[in-house]
Amino acid sequence: AQSVTQPDIHITVSEGASLELRCNYSYGATPYLFWYVQSPGQGLQLLLKYFSGDTLVQGIKGFEAEFKRSQSSFNLRKPSVHWSDAAEYFCAVGNNDMRFGAGTRLTVKP
Amino acid sequence: GAVVSQHPSRVICKSGTSVKIECRSLDFQATTMFWYRQFPKQSLMLMATSNEGSKATYEQGVEKDKFLINHASLTLSTLTVTSAHPEDSSFYICSAGTWLGTGNIQYFGAGTRLSVL
Repeated sequence: AQSVTQPDIHITVSEGASLELRCNYSYGATPYLFWYVQSPGQGLQLLLKYFSGDTLVQGIKGFEAEFKRSQSSFNLRKPSVHWSDAAEYFCAVGNNDMRFGAGTRLTVKP
Repeated sequence: GAVVSQHPSRVICKSGTSVKIECRSLDFQATTMFWYRQFPKQSLMLMATSNEGSKATYEQGVEKDKFLINHASLTLSTLTVTSAHPEDSSFYICSAGTWLGTGNIQYFGAGTRLSVL
């Protein structure tokens, strides 16, 4: 069965610092991978996706993620975090049968 | 980009009443819509998958008679929480799927906060 693990429940970084949010997945075939961001009381906004091809994918708001099949990982990165990036981040795997990780809450210190 | 409208954003109701939540894809046709439930500080749990013109497929443990789903058109799906009770209080989020050539993308509504008194 497919599953997603986000090892970090909560991460705090200083504004301007780099960010990496971890995501590991278990999937029987070539995975479809996604990162979503959720602000409090809001729905989810798609940051980026991986279906196939180049393993380094660029998303909105300066985010990128790298698919590493050997490590079953799809970590999200951003070189310089802004205070407005504070939110909950969800990694997801699948297609019509999408499964979400537990989420990582990002706090940005001034 | 694709926009999904979910209404209402917040509803407070008395125990025993029914509540209907609408999910509309505004600028694209969605053959498949999804309903999720999210408890505080937790992830999204898929409740059901809804295909236009056919019965919804419910996840294990989700009561289909409790959570009625109708997908009458390619742009509208509704979730009705029947005879709501306090334990049904939660954040409900819908998404609409669209095919992008190599895979499906789900676009999410803003969610509905249901509080049952």
